[in-house]
Amino acid sequence: QSALTQPASVSGSPGQSITISCTGTSSDVGGYNYVSWYQQHPGKAPKLMIYDVSNRPSGVSNRFSGSKSGNTASLTISGLQAEDEADYYCSSYTSSSTLHVFGTGTKVTVL
Amino acid sequence: EVQLVESGGGLVQPGGSLRLSCAASGFTFSRYSMSWVRQAPGKGLEWVSYISFGSNTIYYGDSVKGRFTVSRDNAKNSLFLQTNSLRAEDTAVYYCARETNSGWNLDYWGQGTLVTVSS
Repeated sequence: QSALTQPASVSGSPGQSITISCTGTSSDVGGYNYVSWYQQHPGKAPKLMIYDVSNRPSGVSNRFSGSKSGNTASLTISGLQAEDEADYYCSSYTSSSTLHVFGTGTKVTVL
Repeated sequence: EVQLVESGGGLVQPGGSLRLSCAASGFTFSRYSMSWVRQAPGKGLEWVSYISFGSNTIYYGDSVKGRFTVSRDNAKNSLFLQTNSLRAEDTAVYYCARETNSGWNLDYWGQGTLVTVSS
């Protein structure tokens, strides 16, 4: 099971919107609505930001939104803030024995 | 407040073993499935293992299958990962994480325990 493909880095200025893509296959992203997104600051544990493609857990800012089209899921961060600078990982349920497959990770830089 | 606290990591020689533990609190542990996820230094996340709330269903990632064993003790609110035949590429921070009941997502994570495999 190969990792889902994400851009290595994305950057934006404060207040701008950025979008991170996550490309898989019909066996994972395209086949199920179980895509999640995690934020990880350096030295910290990952934090769930989006689940089931587009749902936000309680306490997560509504500046974070998720969507999916075919085999590609996306995370959009609007009104970019300095605290959003972190690594972001997508994940999907997969029909292979791997169960969960993560993306390669994207480093978000706030300019 | 949901808390997951891992322990048991450390330095081990190639071929050695370690038993990782995860102590859960703040929720009814016996009602949730759990997973282990690891992260090699400077690398991305890799799912390692899953165990259902009643231990009836267990899965492993291909890279650890046959070497790692996941288990849980619901009476003690604890999750375990027995790691055997360790290799240098198993060096990573190991996180335990709670699976959501509504789907295949990991909604709470511990702070991790570092396993270093080196001679």
